[in-house]
Amino acid sequence: QSALTQPASVSGSPGQSITISCTGTNSDVGNYNFVSWHQQHPGKAPQLLIYDVSNRPSGVSNRFSGSKSGNTASLTISGLQAEDEADYYCSSYTRSNTLVFGGGTKLTVL
Amino acid sequence: QVQLVQSGAEVKKPGASVKISCKASGYTFTTYHVHWVRQTPGQGLEWMGIINPSGGGTRNTQKFQDRVSMTRDTSTSTVYMDLSNLRSEDTAVYYCARGIGSSGGWYSMDVWGQGTTVTVSS
Repeated sequence: QSALTQPASVSGSPGQSITISCTGTNSDVGNYNFVSWHQQHPGKAPQLLIYDVSNRPSGVSNRFSGSKSGNTASLTISGLQAEDEADYYCSSYTRSNTLVFGGGTKLTVL
Repeated sequence: QVQLVQSGAEVKKPGASVKISCKASGYTFTTYHVHWVRQTPGQGLEWMGIINPSGGGTRNTQKFQDRVSMTRDTSTSTVYMDLSNLRSEDTAVYYCARGIGSSGGWYSMDVWGQGTTVTVSS
């Protein structure tokens, strides 16, 4: 199972919106609404932002939103803040009854 | 509160095995699956497998098929991940994480352990 494809890096200024893409295949992202997004700050464990494509766990800011179209899922962060600078990972359930992660995207807040 | 607490860092020689524990608290242990995920130095996350603490059933990726064993002890609310025949490429931080999803699914992770660093070196 190949990793999902994410851009290596994205950047934005405070207050702006950015979108991170996560591209898979019809064996994972395209066939199941089980895409998640996690945020990871350096030296810390990942934290869940979005599950099942667009659901936000309680306590997660509504500045984070998820969507999916075909084989590509997306995470949008609106009103960018300095503390959003982190690595972001998508994951998806697969046809093999496993999970697969994306390679990760480093977000820089300018 | 809900938490997963993992065992401490390990240093192993190539060819050895390592067993990492993950103790759950703050919720009903048998209600949620537990994932194992690793992160090699400077790299991304890699899903290794999952265990259902209720029946003990497991699922892992083909990459670790012959080297990973996941078990649980319901009396102590602890899951274990045993990785055998270690090589230098297994040097990583290993995480356990609670599985969640709509309609009782396990396809995401909402609570993560603090991570266990495993170093494989001769």
